[in-house]
Amino acid sequence: SQQGEEDPQALSIQEGENATMNCSYKTSINNLQWYRQNSGRGLVHLILIRSNEREKHSGRLRVTLDTSKKSSSLLITASRAADTASYFCATVFPGGGADGLTFGKGTHLIIQP
Amino acid sequence: DTAVSQTPKYLVTQMGNDKSIKCEQNLGHDTMYWYKQDSKKFLKIMFSYNNKELIINETVPNRFSPKSPDKAHLNLHINSLELGDSAVYFCASSRSGTGHTGELFFGEGSRLTVL
Repeated sequence: SQQGEEDPQALSIQEGENATMNCSYKTSINNLQWYRQNSGRGLVHLILIRSNEREKHSGRLRVTLDTSKKSSSLLITASRAADTASYFCATVFPGGGADGLTFGKGTHLIIQP
Repeated sequence: DTAVSQTPKYLVTQMGNDKSIKCEQNLGHDTMYWYKQDSKKFLKIMFSYNNKELIINETVPNRFSPKSPDKAHLNLHINSLELGDSAVYFCASSRSGTGHTGELFFGEGSRLTVL
């Protein structure tokens, strides 16, 4: 089965609220990445967190990583309609570089105006 | 300028036909990939090429063959198309080597529909 699995599968919130998505994985990682996919488009890299980091910020995004629980969360603060998209976590195995990048099934986020 | 471009964006064809999807990247990356995204949005890696050598080949049918004329191009050729091949195919690229973290840059996808 795939390495990363996102939870929930779908999330619908009001504009301005915060959105939290979770990702669990099974084996040791080098880093974990989050990607966004707008409908009908390719994936876009959002943020990367290394295995020795616990938290990282980028604009309205906050990512946490708990290697003991093999889980990560992505928080989007003050959501906007343009944040409506699918969000995927992807893990990189130690020494694997992008060769070991495997994706979860994604969380579909809907921001209601 | 588009970093990773793939053509065509849409492809509708009959079962049994042979088709190709082309991909080009202008990022100077060493590694290129093909991913398949099914109707449930699950992304599965099919192939990757590093310096013109195949380094990953997941369990895909041999009807699928990647061809890389140079490190900026990775084309996907599919023989004897089947209904189950209907999906969106994404090309991606990345740097490789020590210290590179594996961030992928994706194309916009090619939606293949087999009738």
